Amino acid sequence: NAGVTQTPKFRVLKTGQSMTLLCAQDMNHEYMYWYRQDPGMGLRLIHYSVGEGTTAKGEVPDGYNVSRLKKQNFLLGLESAAPSQTSVYFCASRTQTGNYGYTFGSGTRLTVV
Amino acid sequence: AQSVTQPDIHITVSEGASLELRCNYSYGATPYLFWYVQSPGQGLQLLLKYFSGDTLVQGIKGFEAEFKRSQSSFNLRKPSVHWSDAAEYFCAVAFGSSASKIIFGSGTRLSIRP
Repeated sequence: NAGVTQTPKFRVLKTGQSMTLLCAQDMNHEYMYWYRQDPGMGLRLIHYSVGEGTTAKGEVPDGYNVSRLKKQNFLLGLESAAPSQTSVYFCASRTQTGNYGYTFGSGTRLTVV
Repeated sequence: AQSVTQPDIHITVSEGASLELRCNYSYGATPYLFWYVQSPGQGLQLLLKYFSGDTLVQGIKGFEAEFKRSQSSFNLRKPSVHWSDAAEYFCAVAFGSSASKIIFGSGTRLSIRP
């Protein structure tokens, strides 16, 4: 089925380790987003991209980097994981015009110990 | 600065009762407004959206929302809830060029009493 796929679904990291979360969409959407969800805080925007080769900072970008080398993929990197980055991460995508509703992935649960 | 406030953290209603979830926003221009629903362990699903025009919008699963500019509100309603409506609900506002950025409220968890 068409949609947004996030890998991995679960991960446990040790403090200081690095990792990359992958988001892939097959809907030819121009815009892609990474959010983190923490209890009582809703979803907070980390970084987003309005097209291949472009990225921009959201509300909480510190400690994260992103890349959008291909239109269908949006990677979120943690260079040196910290316990404060324990969260559920969601990727989303949408078209540039028209329907502004997002399509969300099912999330990645990350625990940093 | 743009913001979205959902004042109710948790609401419990009886099955078959009516529902209203509150949402207030802060944004200088005409907003694009959304309601999303999240079931446990799942991503978010779009319920409905408001861009312009009729201030009462209909969504999926029998939900509706009314945009009130004077109150900066976009409350979600359903006349009769079902046990399957138990979930977390998020209000969101989009802004920026082509509404490229969306920010979310902190969510309201809905429980259904049998």
